[in-house]
Amino acid sequence: GEDVEQSLFLSVREGDSSVINCTYTDSSSTYLYWYKQEPGAGLQLLTYIFSNMDMKQDQRLTVLLNKKDKHLSLRIADTQTGDSAIYFCAESRSGGYNKLIFGAGTRLAVHP
Amino acid sequence: DAGVIQSPRHEVTEMGQEVTLRCKPISGHDYLFWYRQTMMRGLELLIYFNNNVPIDDSGMPEDRFSAKMPNASFSTLKIQPSEPRDSAVYFCASSFLTGELFFGEGSRLTVL
Repeated sequence: GEDVEQSLFLSVREGDSSVINCTYTDSSSTYLYWYKQEPGAGLQLLTYIFSNMDMKQDQRLTVLLNKKDKHLSLRIADTQTGDSAIYFCAESRSGGYNKLIFGAGTRLAVHP
Repeated sequence: DAGVIQSPRHEVTEMGQEVTLRCKPISGHDYLFWYRQTMMRGLELLIYFNNNVPIDDSGMPEDRFSAKMPNASFSTLKIQPSEPRDSAVYFCASSFLTGELFFGEGSRLTVL
């Protein structure tokens, strides 16, 4: 299909790890992205991974990429209440860097 | 820099009225994007510009929608006539080369 797919909701306990999964469609995507949206705000870039990598770590964030299965995941270690937000994965469509197609977003709820 | 600036933040209008949404991208950015966000369809790319020229408008839903970018610091998205199904949050974003999109805070449109 043409859609970037994500599960819509994830609930975790504070201090646990969160894993948000995404399936993308364009095998020629050069970069894959994770954006975060807090209530009432626009999206902000969280992290990205180049398509020739299979893992990227950035402090509490770990991105895993499985190109064969077109599967992308975002792991947040030691999840905090401030991590509660909607997380979007995005692919750069048609091999370009700038035309981003987003998934529907995963709403992460962190509870005590 | 103030970031991407959108106006109005909220608009309530009646079916059949013309709606104009405005965007000021970040200075120096050469790509500008219009996205629409709804619960049902998630985040959809409507149109994007490079150096003020429309590159891809395949996401524009129908002829009632039009977008212009008369200069590097200003873009409009117009809906005429508006319909209730156009109710959504409309985001403008800009970028420079790298694919990191900087989003505005969005314009929430309600068509009664």
